[in-house]
Amino acid sequence: KNEVEQSPQNLTAQEGEFITINCSYSVGISALHWLQQHPGGGIVSLFMLSSGKKKHGRLIATINIQEKHSSLHITASHPRDSAVYICAVSLTDKLIFGTGTRLQVFP
Amino acid sequence: DTGVSQNPRHKITKRGQNVTFRCDPISEHNRLYWYRQTLGQGPEFLTYFQNEAQLEKSRLLSDRFSAERPKGSFSTLEIQRTEQGDSAMYLCASSLQGYGYTFGSGTRLTVV
Repeated sequence: KNEVEQSPQNLTAQEGEFITINCSYSVGISALHWLQQHPGGGIVSLFMLSSGKKKHGRLIATINIQEKHSSLHITASHPRDSAVYICAVSLTDKLIFGTGTRLQVFP
Repeated sequence: DTGVSQNPRHKITKRGQNVTFRCDPISEHNRLYWYRQTLGQGPEFLTYFQNEAQLEKSRLLSDRFSAERPKGSFSTLEIQRTEQGDSAMYLCASSLQGYGYTFGSGTRLTVV
């Protein structure tokens, strides 16, 4: 069993839909990260969370430490949101990554 | 500062050849990480440096792999006697004491 599990693996949506990506982890962590990866490989950090909820534009990330679960929400999705979204957890000195959720938003 | 820079962006090499990749981190960041990502998978940890000291190496990093960070600035990752299984995206990231990470665009290695 992977230490970081994401669901779903693949997600398609129509423009404007509300999207949720889930992440569960099985280890003690210092923080959880949501990252975005576009074709070509570059990774952009979206959020770093250790508790509660953060919002940036149309993106919202939440974490429940007791349940070891986090969600990434995208409101009013747009085709430019199409990317792979990766959940990663910080252990003492490194990140452990989930396998990612491939999101495609169609106009 | 333009972020984390990795060179080259792409490398195609013949099996058995040696390759070297370079990562230039954000100058204020004292930690530098190398990760490897294969198709459809999340990145896997390879090694990390705090300043010039290499503090941890993954079991994924066989004897053919070596990483250096002279003077605590840029880092190089060398793969000797490349194998087809080494084909992957090699990602570099830097951080200040593990707080927040900035990733490079990666070096895509293809071993033919």
